[in-house]
Amino acid sequence: GDSVTQMEGPVTLSEEAFLTINCTYTATGYPSLFWYVQYPGEGLQLLLKATKADDKGSNKGFEATYRKETTSFHLEKGSVQVSDSAVYFCALSVGSGAGSYQLTFGKGTKLSVIP
Amino acid sequence: DAMVIQNPRYQVTQFGKPVTLSCSQTLNHNVMYWYQQKSSQAPKLLFHYYDKDFNNEADTPDNFQSRRPNTSFCFLDIRSPGLGDAAMYLCATSRTLALTSYEQYFGPGTRLTVT
Repeated sequence: GDSVTQMEGPVTLSEEAFLTINCTYTATGYPSLFWYVQYPGEGLQLLLKATKADDKGSNKGFEATYRKETTSFHLEKGSVQVSDSAVYFCALSVGSGAGSYQLTFGKGTKLSVIP
Repeated sequence: DAMVIQNPRYQVTQFGKPVTLSCSQTLNHNVMYWYQQKSSQAPKLLFHYYDKDFNNEADTPDNFQSRRPNTSFCFLDIRSPGLGDAAMYLCATSRTLALTSYEQYFGPGTRLTVT
């Protein structure tokens, strides 16, 4: 079945450090790939997405590139801020027989940024 | 702003006492999802509606039911909550058209406590 593996947390960084959160996937067909962010006590917010190989998603300084050859979608940010502290979920979506597209999530990576 | 709204944000119920959580959306999306998220875990899909068609996940307990009276509203009913049902419940919506999938938009969640 489809699955997403992302690096275990928690990750603690100092402000302005470089961030990488690794994400790899296995899927049948051609999945779309997503990064969602969840702040404490809140729902999930879409951070960025990519729908085909070599696409780069970007938002709020975060970037991730859909690498089909390595089945990866690593999240990066050049300079993190305290406000980036949250849990980050990598996810994929493929068509289901029910006509909708369900998300398969990784386990999440908790990021803490300290001043 | 178009959005996904969940009410209430916090719900306390007694063991075995039925409870209903509600979700509404102004996005006019044709698919609505309910997820259960326990502490430090990824969201787990319970079921979804594709238009009026209900699709239950194989491992969703019978204790959980759902209703979608119209495009905008969807309800999660827990018939006899147990202590293990305490969790965050997330509603999400997406638009699916032909063979194209679009990202899911999440509400802020309802935190359910069972006493």
